[in-house]
Amino acid sequence: EAGVTQFPSHSVIEKGQTVTLRCDPISGHDNLYWYRRVMGKEIKFLLHFVKESKQDESGMPNNRFLAERTGGTYSTLKVQPAELEDSGVYFCASSQGDGPETQYFGPGTRLLVL
Amino acid sequence: QKEVEQNSGPLSVPEGAIASLNCTYSDRGSQSFFWYRQYSGKSPELIMFIYSNGDKEDGRFTAQLNKASQYVSLLIRDSQPSDSATYLCAVRNSGAGSYQLTFGKGTKLSVIP
Repeated sequence: EAGVTQFPSHSVIEKGQTVTLRCDPISGHDNLYWYRRVMGKEIKFLLHFVKESKQDESGMPNNRFLAERTGGTYSTLKVQPAELEDSGVYFCASSQGDGPETQYFGPGTRLLVL
Repeated sequence: QKEVEQNSGPLSVPEGAIASLNCTYSDRGSQSFFWYRQYSGKSPELIMFIYSNGDKEDGRFTAQLNKASQYVSLLIRDSQPSDSATYLCAVRNSGAGSYQLTFGKGTKLSVIP
C-alpha cells in the first residue's frame, strides 16, 4: 500500500512568488492534515480536512495560505505571496475515518523562500 | 497555549543499553499520546501510541503514561545504532472534534556502537 506522497520534495522561490504544494493521502483515508516545521521549531498543525471539508483550520498562520481538497482526495496548499518566514518543511499526514486514529506522515516538502 | 516539552538532547547511549526519552505536556485533558521517530530528512514514523495510564510494550519499545503528572516516556531496550534518530512526542488535543497533534521539538538519540 502506498504511503502519503507529497510534491514537490523541494521548492526554492523568491519572496512574493506563489508556490503550490500537493499531498496525496493514503487511499481510503478521509482525514488529511497539513503541518509545518520551521527551522529550530517544533512541527506545528496547520489544518485538518475530513473528506473535502475543512474540519479545523485554527493553525493557518494568515490569509496568504489557502488549502483545498476538491473531491476529497488529494490536497493542495498554496502560499501567495510567499514571505521569508514561510520557509520550512511542510508535512502532510492522513488517517482513516471514524475518529482521530494514527496519523501517517508524508516525506514533506522543503520550502525555501529567498 | 498547549505545549509539549522534550529534552532536545543529544542523548547518547551505548549499544545494548536502555534509552529513556521523556515528555511532559500542558493540556490536562489530552487523551492520546504518540511517539514518532524521524531520521534526518525523512518523514516522522509512528513508533507507538498510548491512551491509558501505565505501560504499553511493543517489542523493544515501552511507552509509559502518567496523566496525573502529565508525563509520557518511551523506553528503548537493547538499543541499536539503527535507533539513532530524533524522537518526537506528540499529544492529541482535547478539544471536541479536534484531531490536531501538538508536537515537542524532539530528542535526538545517538546509539554508540
